[in-house]
Amino acid sequence: DTEVTQTPKHLVMGMTNKKSLKCEQHMGHRAMYWYKQKAKKPPELMFVYSYEKLSINESVPSRFSPECPNSSLLNLHLHALQPEDSALYLCASSLQGANEKLFFGSGTQLSVL
Amino acid sequence: GEDVEQSLFLSVREGDSSVINCTYTDSSSTYLYWYKQEPGAGLQLLTYIFSNMDMKQDQRLTVLLNKKDKHLSLRIADTQTGDSAIYFCAETKDTGRRALTFGSGTRLQVQP
Repeated sequence: DTEVTQTPKHLVMGMTNKKSLKCEQHMGHRAMYWYKQKAKKPPELMFVYSYEKLSINESVPSRFSPECPNSSLLNLHLHALQPEDSALYLCASSLQGANEKLFFGSGTQLSVL
Repeated sequence: GEDVEQSLFLSVREGDSSVINCTYTDSSSTYLYWYKQEPGAGLQLLTYIFSNMDMKQDQRLTVLLNKKDKHLSLRIADTQTGDSAIYFCAETKDTGRRALTFGSGTRLQVQP
């Protein structure tokens, strides 16, 4: 299994909703990442988990809350989002750290109304 | 990312070679990657090169690295319509912020 699986593929939510994005990999990777990608822009790093501990938070607003329950799962909890948070949210994993190949999921396309 | 720059658009005819260029500013970059993104999809790692290498070839893909000029290129031989996508170069470093920094992406359009 060489896949990173993200669910849901599409999500529409209101500004008062609470939702979660999920990411799963079974490659034995110990580093997992959340990226945000706006249309026609490169992905921007949000969070990095290394061995289930948060190692990088790129000054992301607290309305985004990451969680790594175990080495195979990564969640992104969303609460009180703004319309400008609408984007493609990409999860990625690598064997141990960033100096290795990242494998990306296909993303969750999020629309905030 | 402002540390990694790419031209925005490239159009080629099917069967021709495509060359996508990337420049980076940080000489401590140690790993350089090329990713492909098709519409509505995630990023697919195409190939990568370590900074102590000058060239790497993988089937139709050739990566050239000029460390002096901090210039990276991706050559796709015999370009096909299925190669139409956005191509991102990306770098990581051994020190400091150990995460991928992406270039702005080059949209490759292959005309039949």
